[in-house]
Amino acid sequence: SQQGEEDPQALSIQEGENATMNCSYKTSINNLQWYRQNSGRGLVHLILIRSNEREKHSGRLRVTLDTSKKSSSLLITASRAADTASYFCATDGGSNYKLTFGKGTLLTVNP
Amino acid sequence: DAGITQSPRHKVTETGTPVTLRCHQTENHRYMYWYRQDPGHGLRLIHYSYGVKDTDKGEVSDGYSVSRSKTEDFLLTLESATSSQTSVYFCAISFGAVAGTEAFFGQGTRLTVV
Repeated sequence: SQQGEEDPQALSIQEGENATMNCSYKTSINNLQWYRQNSGRGLVHLILIRSNEREKHSGRLRVTLDTSKKSSSLLITASRAADTASYFCATDGGSNYKLTFGKGTLLTVNP
Repeated sequence: DAGITQSPRHKVTETGTPVTLRCHQTENHRYMYWYRQDPGHGLRLIHYSYGVKDTDKGEVSDGYSVSRSKTEDFLLTLESATSSQTSVYFCAISFGAVAGTEAFFGQGTRLTVV
């Protein structure tokens, strides 16, 4: 089964609003990553947070990690129409090899 | 793009025929992955490789085999294609998840089995 599960499956907001997506996972991890996928394209890496970190920022992105709850959240602030995409979390399951993804959250930002 | 190329980009094949998809990298990444993406399932790991001739199964490996005879190429073979293997296939490369480095993805191969 897939390691990460994103929630919600779909999210629709207005431009300028914040978007929050959540990810839950099942086993211990070394780090957790978030990726973005524009329709029909390959995934692009957004941000990585290590298991010993609780929060990380990158531009308009804020990621939190709670290893006790095996969950992470991705916050996109001041969203733009160009942020419309699917967002996936990925975990390594404690290994150096396997990188498994969740089902993703489809974010639609309406102008 | 991070020097990763998938070929072909599109393919239509008949049920029962063998199909090979190729992933080629120019970045000397140790780890290579094959995923399939289907609506409602996200990305599912088929097989991965952690070195030349070192491969292992992912969560949906039945009906697929892989080979990696050199660092830059990772081949995915559908021994006898079935309609359930109609999907978009993505290859990815990485220096290693624990190393804390990102994975880079190819543009995908859209495979249709008729």
